Amino acid sequence: EAGVAQSPRYKIIEKRQSVAFWCNPISGHATLYWYQQILGQGPKLLIQFQNNGVVDDSQLPKDRFSAERLKGVDSTLKIQPAKLEDSAVYLCASSLVLGQYFGPGTRLTVT
Amino acid sequence: QKEVEQDPGPLSVPEGAIVSLNCTYSNSAFQYFMWYRQYSRKGPELLMYTYSSGNKEDGRFTAQVDKSSKYISLFIRDSQPSDSATYLCAMSASETSGSRLTFGEGTQLTVNP
Repeated sequence: EAGVAQSPRYKIIEKRQSVAFWCNPISGHATLYWYQQILGQGPKLLIQFQNNGVVDDSQLPKDRFSAERLKGVDSTLKIQPAKLEDSAVYLCASSLVLGQYFGPGTRLTVT
Repeated sequence: QKEVEQDPGPLSVPEGAIVSLNCTYSNSAFQYFMWYRQYSRKGPELLMYTYSSGNKEDGRFTAQVDKSSKYISLFIRDSQPSDSATYLCAMSASETSGSRLTFGEGTQLTVNP
């Protein structure tokens, strides 16, 4: 079974620029998550989708972050404009029942 | 106060040692407890999960939950250099798909050959 795919793996941008991350979950997994993991910390949930719908986006900074999940499969997370404090690894995960499966993450550096 | 507290380490042990990793939590609603392993520059990987109080064993790994003390542990027996990673505890109030996981900060473990 293929795992969760993410791209790009690394991205360096300047502050105030925009960036987008892509995620393809495990086939058949209805629930998709985006997490932010700052160096030395545990993952923090940004947004959770159940099929096409948003279940939880309470911790998403909506003034600069947006996310969508197309046709209940792939998802994109966008940051516009980026700030220095957005430097982190952005992890995508998917699940069928309890237990989330994570992708390798996108390491974002904002300079 | 954070909902989940985890000693960040770093923890360094010799090969073959028994390792104990711990988390405490404050939210009584948590019923499902997980341990994830995260190698450098990789995503977290689900290692074990347990429900409510008790022990669960899987090879060299034992997960222990004490709900009365709001304390969970992961024991690694006969630790190997390949166990060197960051270990994250995670907790959920529900078993259903889509329930939010709350993670600890992670403990960085190094097993020296």
